[in-house]
Amino acid sequence: NAGVTQTPKFQVLKTGQSMTLQCAQDMNHNSMYWYRQDPGMGLRLIYYSASEGTTDKGEVPNGYNVSRLNKREFSLRLESAAPSQTSVYFCASTGAGLEAFFGQGTRLTVV
Amino acid sequence: AQRVTQPEKLLSVFKGAPVELKCNYSYSGSPELFWYVQYSRQRLQLLLRHISRESIKGFTADLNKGETSFHLKKPFAQEEDSAMYYCALSGSNYKLTFGKGTLLTVNP
Repeated sequence: NAGVTQTPKFQVLKTGQSMTLQCAQDMNHNSMYWYRQDPGMGLRLIYYSASEGTTDKGEVPNGYNVSRLNKREFSLRLESAAPSQTSVYFCASTGAGLEAFFGQGTRLTVV
Repeated sequence: AQRVTQPEKLLSVFKGAPVELKCNYSYSGSPELFWYVQYSRQRLQLLLRHISRESIKGFTADLNKGETSFHLKKPFAQEEDSAMYYCALSGSNYKLTFGKGTLLTVNP
């Protein structure tokens, strides 16, 4: 009964380095999302995938790319990390009922 | 564009007092509205949704289309209600947008 699983839980990057955050769900959900959570800013949508094979930009897509690898997996890539991307990242998924299930979050620090 | 506004970043009440967390939205169609809660060091979880019209943990929320609001209310706050609360809107193409959140503190 894993739900939504994100890896890694913690990561420290140097400015300019790249990395991919992984997300997988086992609930057969169609839609998946990536958010960043910053103090005072709430949850801001980076990218989402309404269904397998589609991706769309959210509010803050600059500096990020995504891949909906299959129905289960939705990854977020930082090509050249910047200190402004220091944040907590959450992956989520929704099914027909529209209730969102969240991963445990990835705390990313860019130095 | 769809937008969710939570005007209060912080809300502090005493145990037993009523609490109301405000949420206003902007959306041209018929929205699906939710309240999510994040307790300390836990992941976000659904508290309630407007379509079910149910009460969870004593909380209720009514959709007011005229005022485009979906305020969360509880008549008697408990200390265990202390958490971050997010209002969310699911709009076209399953885009799920959250407000900035309100940190509720219930003092003993």
